[in-house]
Amino acid sequence: DAGVIQSPRHEVTEMGQEVTLRCKPISGHNSLFWYRQTMMRGLELLIYFNNNVPIDDSGMPEDRFSAKMPNASFSTLKIQPSEPRDSAVYFCASGDRAQETQYFGPGTRLLVL
Amino acid sequence: SQQGEEDPQALSIQEGENATMNCSYKTSINNLQWYRQNSGRGLVHLILIRSNEREKHSGRLRVTLDTSKKSSSLLITASRAADTASYFCATSNTGKLIFGQGTTLQVKP
Repeated sequence: DAGVIQSPRHEVTEMGQEVTLRCKPISGHNSLFWYRQTMMRGLELLIYFNNNVPIDDSGMPEDRFSAKMPNASFSTLKIQPSEPRDSAVYFCASGDRAQETQYFGPGTRLLVL
Repeated sequence: SQQGEEDPQALSIQEGENATMNCSYKTSINNLQWYRQNSGRGLVHLILIRSNEREKHSGRLRVTLDTSKKSSSLLITASRAADTASYFCATSNTGKLIFGQGTTLQVKP
């Protein structure tokens, strides 16, 4: 099993640009999570999906952030427009059920200049 | 609001010694999990303990859970330099995990 796959691994962009982060969960997992990690705020849950349906997006910082899961094997997190304070490591994780073990991807390190 | 809070924030020990990290939380939980994060990597699940369990072992790891005190501890016995990482507790509540800020463990060879 390849594990959770995220792309890109690193992204450097300028303020105002659109950023799209991608995630392929482990095959067969029903839940998918997007997290953001910073030194100041730690690991924050942004949104999670069950069976491709968004269940809780209360952690999404503002309308500039959006997430989709068009099918069981793919999800995107989009930031438009990006701002320097969005700089962080974004992790995608998947699991059998929302409250059980989660398997994390390697993360996307985003730097917004 | 922060659910799990680890203590200490940082811990430095010699190889071979035991390392103990603690986690406190605020609300009722379904389960509590511990994860490890090596520098620059994603989190890796270590162990899950359910609310009706008091202790669990996995290799050199021992986890305890005291629901009356709303606390958990992770013990790593006979530590190795490769155990150097950040360790996070995560509580399961209302269908999602809430992570603490983590304990940074350094094991000196």
